[in-house]
Amino acid sequence: GQNIDQPTEMTATEGAIVQINCTYQTSGFNGLFWYQQHAGEAPTFLSYNVLDGLEEKGRFSSFLSRSKGYSYLLLKELQMKDSASYLCAVRDAGNNRKLIWGLGTSLAVNP
Amino acid sequence: GAVVSQHPSRVICKSGTSVKIECRSLDFQATTMFWYRQFPKKSLMLMATSNEGSKATYEQGVEKDKFLINHASLTLSTLTVTSAHPEDSSFYICSAVGTSGNDEQFFGPGTRLTVL
Repeated sequence: GQNIDQPTEMTATEGAIVQINCTYQTSGFNGLFWYQQHAGEAPTFLSYNVLDGLEEKGRFSSFLSRSKGYSYLLLKELQMKDSASYLCAVRDAGNNRKLIWGLGTSLAVNP
Repeated sequence: GAVVSQHPSRVICKSGTSVKIECRSLDFQATTMFWYRQFPKKSLMLMATSNEGSKATYEQGVEKDKFLINHASLTLSTLTVTSAHPEDSSFYICSAVGTSGNDEQFFGPGTRLTVL
């Protein structure tokens, strides 16, 4: 079956670094996305990995290991506004372009 | 670029009525759009894939006669919740697939439906 695992909740301190892990077991793989979602709002795109390695974009970085079925999102220099839910999603193989979604990690950034 | 709008943002209706939600890609053409449903503090639940000019593909357990999807143009998909009941109250979000190589999904702002 299709399964994506993320921690349910995490807490961190303003200015610190936090790593949110995601493991997946899917029948196919055609890329992994990270999205940020604030309460009551739609998700916004953060990053995309399709090859192994680290993708850096400002304060956010995302890592992928396809052999291990593993990704992480790294948030540096945390700000209060980073308090949100972070969703890991795997793009299904084939042409249907669907994303298989994790349940999301709710991150609380404290002062 | 890559802006997706949804209308209405909030709707309250009586049980038994039908509600139409529009999803538009404002500055790009989207051959594929997705409709999601989200309960409070839960992840996105894919309801159906909407393809321009063809019938929507529904996920298992989603009633196609209750949730009617029409994707009549490259910039517009509509979701109609027919004979709404209180259990249909939820946050409905659409997304449109962009034209970049990674098939990134751009999300609309969502529609909060409350059925009384």
